[in-house]
Amino acid sequence: NAGVTQTPKFQVLKTGQSMTLQCAQDMNHEYMSWYRQDPGMGLRLIHYSVGAGITDQGEVPNGYNVSRSTTEDFPLRLLSAAPSQTSVYFCASSRSGRGNQPQHFGDGTRLSIL
Amino acid sequence: QQQVKQSPQSLIVQKGGISIINCAYENTAFDYFPWYQQFPGKGPALLIAIRPDVSEKKEGRFTISFNKSAKQFSLHIMDSQPGDSATYFCAARDNNAGNMLTFGGGTRLMVKP
Repeated sequence: NAGVTQTPKFQVLKTGQSMTLQCAQDMNHEYMSWYRQDPGMGLRLIHYSVGAGITDQGEVPNGYNVSRSTTEDFPLRLLSAAPSQTSVYFCASSRSGRGNQPQHFGDGTRLSIL
Repeated sequence: QQQVKQSPQSLIVQKGGISIINCAYENTAFDYFPWYQQFPGKGPALLIAIRPDVSEKKEGRFTISFNKSAKQFSLHIMDSQPGDSATYFCAARDNNAGNMLTFGGGTRLMVKP
């Protein structure tokens, strides 16, 4: 049982480049989300999805784009990378967006923007 | 502004001691308060959670204490072990915003043998 799988684990980009961070879950979870983790700031929600075809913005959405064409996949796109987007990115999923469903996290993508 | 404030940022405890991490919040719409444990190179994992209608929840060596009137909650790790060394995050869920979690800034715990 793979759970939540994130790729790549590490990535270095130059300012202005674009890229897609991949996230896949095999638990048939409805709810998926992306967080960024920065020192001293905990995890901050970027975007989330309550099901295929439905996405919404979180706390820090600027500079990021998402789509949810299938239940399993929830890619995060950086449109034009900036040094301020250097961070560790975590994808999470839960059975639904209702109730106290525990969120399952992937192991993260460490992204550096030069 | 950080809606969930966590302290301390780092904590060193001797093996067998009690580790205490505190969190405070302002949003009265928060209705679910989980704690996550994160080891280096890994994603956070749910450790224990509490709802505001109870004042304490215990699971093994881990206890959450909740003070609704003060809008504060804390994690106590009894008989701390070196294997507990990790970063701990408190979080809170807004019942008006689905399953969106707001996290505290994290506490890096080191338990010395």
